[in-house]
Parts: sequence; structure tokens; C-alpha cells
Amino acid sequence: QKEVEQDPGPLSVPEGAIVSLNCTYSNSAFQYFMWYRQYSRKGPELLMYTYSSGNKEDGRFTAQVDKSSKYISLFIRDSQPSDSATYLCAPKRGRDDKIIFGKGTRLHILP
Amino acid sequence: GAVVSQHPSWVICKSGTSVKIECRSLDFQATTMFWYRQFPKQSLMLMATSNEGSKATYEQGVEKDKFLINHASLTLSTLTVTSAHPEDSSFYICSARPFSGISPDTQYFGPGTRLTVL
Repeated sequence: QKEVEQDPGPLSVPEGAIVSLNCTYSNSAFQYFMWYRQYSRKGPELLMYTYSSGNKEDGRFTAQVDKSSKYISLFIRDSQPSDSATYLCAPKRGRDDKIIFGKGTRLHILP
Repeated sequence: GAVVSQHPSWVICKSGTSVKIECRSLDFQATTMFWYRQFPKQSLMLMATSNEGSKATYEQGVEKDKFLINHASLTLSTLTVTSAHPEDSSFYICSARPFSGISPDTQYFGPGTRLTVL
């Protein structure tokens, strides 16, 4: 079983819709959970960062972590065409540990 | 804040030559820098971790004599691909973890360098 699993997509939704991106992981030692956005041929950009279980909101983005089920979600409200990108789920165990990246989910927001 | 630059953004070279890629943290000091490789439609794969002033730690399966990493200062790390071959063609991305101040628990990524070996 891979440490981090994401549906690669592509996921296509109309502009304005709520987007739900999900990720599962197998290592119960993960404590830090990040979501990165990566545009084509660009480096990843940190979107959200949470520690342990719970929710975190930042503007149109909400990250949820459920450690009991090893399930991570990213919600995007009022989606925009500029949100079209690949979203990478990226957990890690401790501050000094390496990030384990999922393969990413490609998202297309249709105007 | 938290800007990381890479140079060059893309490079084409002949098989057998060496290529150097620079990674700089522009507005913060980074105790640790990371080098990743990403193939099309694949995730980022960590190649090595470098700490300023010490030898890099390479991931299993990464040839340290082929991918030379030098972390010369708290704002600069370089990756040299020696005797490059077509299979080394990839997207190379660096990241830097802040020394202090802004969120120390995350990494900030550069824009990547696309290497094509003919």
C-alpha cells in the first residue's frame, strides 16, 4: 500500500461549484498535513498547512484532517478558472522529516 | 515573503556534459534545502536533503556521485548533474525550510528547472 493515495483525476467542475479533493494515507505517524497547488511546469505552492486532526479555513479553502480514518480533504468554495491546477496532498511525520507527496489530483474549473 | 528562486529555469545539454542548477532563498535563511525530481504526471520524488555546511543525505537509489549537491550558505544550494544522459531529463525542483521566523514547519518551493539531455 502506498503511503499517500490520491485520485489523479482529472476532475472537471463548473465555475462557482464547491470542489472536494481527497487523500488517504497509511502511516499513522503523520502529524503535519499540507496541501500544495502546482500549475503546469511550475513549482508547488503551499496552500494550507494543518497539524494533527481538525479543520482549518483560509479564504475559499478549507482543509480537514481525520486521523482516525487517515483521511485528508481540501474544499474549495466558489471555484474559479484560476484554481485549475494539480493539488498535491503532502503529509509528514515530524518537523524535520521529509514530506511524502501524493501523485496529485488534476482539477479543471470550467468557465 | 518566502520566495525561492532557481536558475536556470530550463536547460538543454548534450549527453555526457554536466549541468549546474542553483537554488536560492531570497528573503529568508534556510537551514535545510531539498532537491526533488518530477517526471510528467508523476509526484515529486525527493532526491536529497542538504544542510548548510555539511554533506547532503541522498535517498535510496539516488547516485550521489552523479547528482552532486553543495549547500554553500544559508541561502544557496546547487545541484550538479554530472555526465548527464537522456534518462536524466526531468523537472528538478528545490525547496527550502526556513531557519526561524516564518512558519518553520513547512518548505517553500522554487519554480523548477526543466532539464533536457539530448
